[in-house]
Amino acid sequence: RKEVEQDPGPFNVPEGATVAFNCTYSNSASQSFFWYRQDCRKEPKLLMSVYSSGNEDGRFTAQLNRASQYISLLIRDSKLSDSATYLCVGPVTGGGNKLTFGTGTQLKVEL
Amino acid sequence: NAGVTQTPKFQVLKTGQSMTLQCAQDMNHNSMYWYRQDPGMGLRLIYYSASEGTTDKGEVPNGYNVSRLNKREFSLRLESAAPSQTSVYFCASSVQEEVYGYTFGSGTRLTVV
Repeated sequence: RKEVEQDPGPFNVPEGATVAFNCTYSNSASQSFFWYRQDCRKEPKLLMSVYSSGNEDGRFTAQLNRASQYISLLIRDSKLSDSATYLCVGPVTGGGNKLTFGTGTQLKVEL
Repeated sequence: NAGVTQTPKFQVLKTGQSMTLQCAQDMNHNSMYWYRQDPGMGLRLIYYSASEGTTDKGEVPNGYNVSRLNKREFSLRLESAAPSQTSVYFCASSVQEEVYGYTFGSGTRLTVV
């Protein structure tokens, strides 16, 4: 089983919609996670960190649910420019400081 | 403010040829990583270096070697390229992974024919 798992999508939403992605993780001891954004044919870029208290940055909110072992990313008022693949990232179990990446959830925001 | 710089950006190799992918970071990060990304497979760790002078295998090291030349530079070498190594290669670095995550380079698109 992968350490972090995501629904690959695609999620097709109209501009202005609210969309949420979830990512499940297997190691209950994991404490810090990240959401990365990856545009087509580009490198992944850090979008947000996710800690136990959650995190909010403008239209983006990330939360950690320890009881059910998942993290979420909520995007409000979607823009065309939000179209990308969103990668869930967590620590490797027993892997020192290494991080492991989900395969990504594709978001397409349409007019 | 260059961050992580990878060269080359594109490369086509013939089966059996060798090449070295270069990566340099100017952020004084201790840790550096090499990943490959294939459709449907996500990012897979090839090799990493926790600090200058150390390197360790990741989950897909076969067919690759690495050199941590100094704190700034971490190169990936393909000694005898195979079509299965056609992929996009990303170098990344970090100062404190659990707090700041990774910073990635822009990638190298490699095709082996």
